[in-house]
Amino acid sequence: QKEVEQNSGPLSVPEGAIASLNCTYSDRVSQSFFWYRQYSGKSPELIMSIYSNGDKEDGRFTAQLNKASQYVSLLIRDSQPSDSATYLCAVNGDSNYQLIWGAGTKLIIKP
Amino acid sequence: DGGITQSPKYLFRKEGQNVTLSCEQNLNHDAMYWYRQDPGQGLRLIYYSQIVNDFQKGDIAEGYSVSREKKESFPLTVTSAQKNPTAFYLCASSRHQETQYFGPGTRLLVL
Repeated sequence: QKEVEQNSGPLSVPEGAIASLNCTYSDRVSQSFFWYRQYSGKSPELIMSIYSNGDKEDGRFTAQLNKASQYVSLLIRDSQPSDSATYLCAVNGDSNYQLIWGAGTKLIIKP
Repeated sequence: DGGITQSPKYLFRKEGQNVTLSCEQNLNHDAMYWYRQDPGQGLRLIYYSQIVNDFQKGDIAEGYSVSREKKESFPLTVTSAQKNPTAFYLCASSRHQETQYFGPGTRLLVL
């Protein structure tokens, strides 16, 4: 059974600090990795996708992928209260059409 | 405006009743998906469709049915066989095996 694991949190971070969210996956052959943000009562929205080892930066967000250790992380710099949400990690499954989802980490940014 | 629409936003089901959730997309995406999300949980795949007139069961297809008669539309029927249907239902679409984009969701409640 392929799995994606995330710490459920909540992760509490002071405003302006760096928030670090982690995700591990079980399938060594996975190739596509995604971070989604979900506000309470809303649908998930894509934050970042990453396919190669290393870092990928987009504004205040940086995704980090380490295939050898089978983990992917998301860093949020200069955290804002509006970043408070649940962050979902997703990894491609057996079929490239299917994603395997983690249960999400709830992030709280304290003013 | 390109996007994915779901209706209704809220749906109430009486015991023994079948109900149908609508999902429409005008992104010209080939693939469409239905997920179920329970409180504090990740997304679980119900059905997905890669092309018109073809669809595959996901992890929790029992008690649900779908059709894909048009590229733009992928309705989900929650049948009376689904004994615990209360959940947040999310429809998504993607171009081939690329990033999935979500509609706003339908919240189904049992009377």
